[in-house]
Amino acid sequence: AQSVTQPDIHITVSEGASLELRCNYSYGATPYLFWYVQSPGQGLQLLLKYFSGDTLVQGIKGFEAEFKRSQSSFNLRKPSVHWSDAAEYFCAVVRGQGAQKLVFGQGTRLTINP
Amino acid sequence: SAVISQKPSRDICQRGTSLTIQCQVDSQVTMMFWYRQQPGQSLTLIATANQGSEATYESGFVIDKFPISRPNLTFSTLTVSNMSPEDSSIYLCSVVGGGRHNEQFFGPGTRLTVL
Repeated sequence: AQSVTQPDIHITVSEGASLELRCNYSYGATPYLFWYVQSPGQGLQLLLKYFSGDTLVQGIKGFEAEFKRSQSSFNLRKPSVHWSDAAEYFCAVVRGQGAQKLVFGQGTRLTINP
Repeated sequence: SAVISQKPSRDICQRGTSLTIQCQVDSQVTMMFWYRQQPGQSLTLIATANQGSEATYESGFVIDKFPISRPNLTFSTLTVSNMSPEDSSIYLCSVVGGGRHNEQFFGPGTRLTVL
């Protein structure tokens, strides 16, 4: 069965520092992968997605993610974080080829120090 | 992207009562889902809301507890029945829309507290 692991429950970085959030997936074929962000009291917003092709994908708010098949990873990065990036970040994979159901990782809570 | 609204945005309910949550989309969509996010947890899929037929429930979720309606391609409701404090969660609907394969958009969620 497909699964997603986000090893870091909570990460704290200083404003202006670089960020990398880790995501590992388990899936036999080429996965469809997503990163979502949930700000306090808000719903989920799609940051970026990977379906195929270029393994480095660009998203909104200056985020990017790199798909590495050899490592079964899809890590999210941002070169310089802003205080407004403080939120919960979820990695997700579509469950089953041709299906639409998402399986989410446990989430990583990002705190930004001023 | 699809614009999704949910009502109510939050509610506090008494044990043993039921609450119906509404999800409205600004365009017709084929696939609509309901998720639960328990406090401090990730999202878990409850069911797929099928237009014109019974919802498809995931393991651990049953129709008697979470009845779902989907009368048309822009609207769905989820009822949380006979509530207990363990049902305190955020409930979110999502849709696959905009012609983008497998891209899901989420509503703002309904924060439910059961006393």
